[in-house]
Amino acid sequence: KNQVEQSPQSLIILEGKNCTLQCNYTVSPFSNLRWYKQDTGRGPVSLTIMTFSENTKSNGRYTATLDADTKQSSLHITASQLSDSASYICVVSFSGGYNKLIFGAGTRLAVHP
Amino acid sequence: DGGITQSPKYLFRKEGQNVTLSCEQNLNHDAMYWYRQDPGQGLRLIYYSQIVNDFQKGDIAEGYSVSREKKESFPLTVTSAQKNPTAFYLCASSDRAAASGTGYTFGSGTRLTVV
Repeated sequence: KNQVEQSPQSLIILEGKNCTLQCNYTVSPFSNLRWYKQDTGRGPVSLTIMTFSENTKSNGRYTATLDADTKQSSLHITASQLSDSASYICVVSFSGGYNKLIFGAGTRLAVHP
Repeated sequence: DGGITQSPKYLFRKEGQNVTLSCEQNLNHDAMYWYRQDPGQGLRLIYYSQIVNDFQKGDIAEGYSVSREKKESFPLTVTSAQKNPTAFYLCASSDRAAASGTGYTFGSGTRLTVV
């Protein structure tokens, strides 16, 4: 069964600290993996997208890694800010097709002052 | 600025009523999608449309209906047949097959509550 599992479900960190979110997937055949940030009551916004051949991709303080062999990805947030408080969603695409996206349940991050 | 506009932001439905959620995009994207988001779960696909006048059922289409009469618009009707409609609904669009394309954009969502 094609699945995307994220951990932890929720996380609380202090402002200025770093954190890493995990994503494990069993989707096959794999096309790409995306990380989205979703603020409460808003739509998801894309942070990064990586294909099979990419190991890492950065977007400011956000750095995503991908290990296609172990089917694992991580999202590292550096020097967290209060505005980083949101849900972070991992999304994996099948190869081909308009409807072939599998969404993780997300990790809810709270950054406290 | 180009983007996707969903309206209303909040919607309340009485038992037995049909309600329609609006989704409009000015990104010139061919494909549009409707997702449902429930607490603790990943987004689930309701319907999608690749071109005007064509749409396909997703994983949870029962109790929902859509139309695609214009490229820019993809309204979703939640019918009385949907037994548990309270959820956050997200509309999205893409410029090519979502699996390979990077142009996948979400709207801001509509929160539907049954009263």
